[in-house]
This record gives sequence, C-alpha cells and structure tokens, in this order.
Amino acid sequence: GAGVSQSPRYKVAKRGQDVALRCDPISGHVSLFWYQQALGQGPEFLTYFQNEAQLDKSGLPSDRFFAERPEGSVSTLKIQRTQQEDSAVYLCASSLVSIGTGAYGNTIYFGEGSWLTVV
Amino acid sequence: DQQVKQNSPSLSVQEGRISILNCDYTNSMFDYFLWYKKYPAEGPTFLISISSIKDKNEDGRFTVFLNKSAKHLSLHIVPSQPGDSAVYFCAASLYNQGGKLIFGQGTELSVKP
Repeated sequence: GAGVSQSPRYKVAKRGQDVALRCDPISGHVSLFWYQQALGQGPEFLTYFQNEAQLDKSGLPSDRFFAERPEGSVSTLKIQRTQQEDSAVYLCASSLVSIGTGAYGNTIYFGEGSWLTVV
Repeated sequence: DQQVKQNSPSLSVQEGRISILNCDYTNSMFDYFLWYKKYPAEGPTFLISISSIKDKNEDGRFTVFLNKSAKHLSLHIVPSQPGDSAVYFCAASLYNQGGKLIFGQGTELSVKP
C-alpha cells in the first residue's frame, strides 16, 4: 500500500502476556518512529530508527519494551509481560528524511495505529 | 511534566465561523511547531507548521500564529466547515530532532452545520 501499515489493528492481551506489533513503513523511508497514545492524551515518543539503527530509545517506558528494525524496513515493537498501564494506541510513523537533517512533521506519515487493551 | 499543553479538551463552533485552537509550551528551545488533525480510528495527519523564526504561517483556511514571548501558538480555521470536526494536536520539536515530536493532549473540534 501507499501508506504506513500497522498490524494487528486491535489486540486484547491478558496481563502478563507478550505482544508484538508490526509496522510496515512507506517503501524507501529512512526514518521510523514509534509513539504511544494513551486514552485522552497526545502521542508520546517511544523510539526512533534510522534505517536499521535504533538511534533513540529514550521514550521506552521500561525494559519490557523492545523495538527492532533488522533490515531497515519493517519494524516490530514487542512488549513483554504486559501490564494494564500498557493499554494504549501504538502509532508508527515513517519519513523519507533522517531526523538529523531536519525531519520536520510535514514529512512524517503516521499509520492508523495498533490498539492494545490489556485485561 | 507536560511541555506542550492544550488546555481546552473540546471546542464547538458554528459552520462558517472562526475556530481558534490554542497551545502553550514551556521549553524555549523548541524551534518548530506543528498542528496535526486526527479523525477517529485514523493516524494523525499533518496540517500546518511554523518555524520559531516566524510569527505567522498561512495555508488556505488555516493560519498558525506563534507568540514566542508568551510561549503560545494558535491555529485559526476560517471559515470552519463540518469536515473540520476532528481532534487537533499541537506538537513541537527541538532543533535537529524534527521527527521526535512532543504533543499536546489534543482539542476536539466540533463544527455544527
């Protein structure tokens, strides 16, 4: 497709279960971002990849969160031992340009998000 | 510590009138500001932006104003249309961290016919 694709769109996980969220960025996009959006809040930055390199993971809330982009295209966000506070929409975004060259918002395209509910 | 704040969770406006959405920030190092629009079950889409060296940017019905001394920006939509009904997010970024956006909580705009 032409846009950023995320799967699954909806996931219900039991507390303690591991989940994996997938992001297919726009083809050729160098930069990939993950954001977490809790109910009633704005998106919060989690991590950033430039190609396969994870250059910033300062927003990951705990060591239960892990992200990878091994071949510089598809990315997976993994959450281990899910907790109720992990319930949120997880947004993936991609950009043709690198963050250091001024990847401003008008070059960033968001996916529709993966809605995670932990019960 | 909320660096970008949108203090109005919702706003209701009559079609054809002006919509004014407000945003305040605390970090004087922010150098770029953006507005995103979000429909239910969709990802945010870019609407308009402004660099910190400017005080106004206009794109069709949308104008963003930046007041650096007050650390305040606003989005004006004139005239408002029912299709503008959505959640609007204000976001900011630091120099050379353009993709690492700091978002406000959002304002839900409802434009009534």
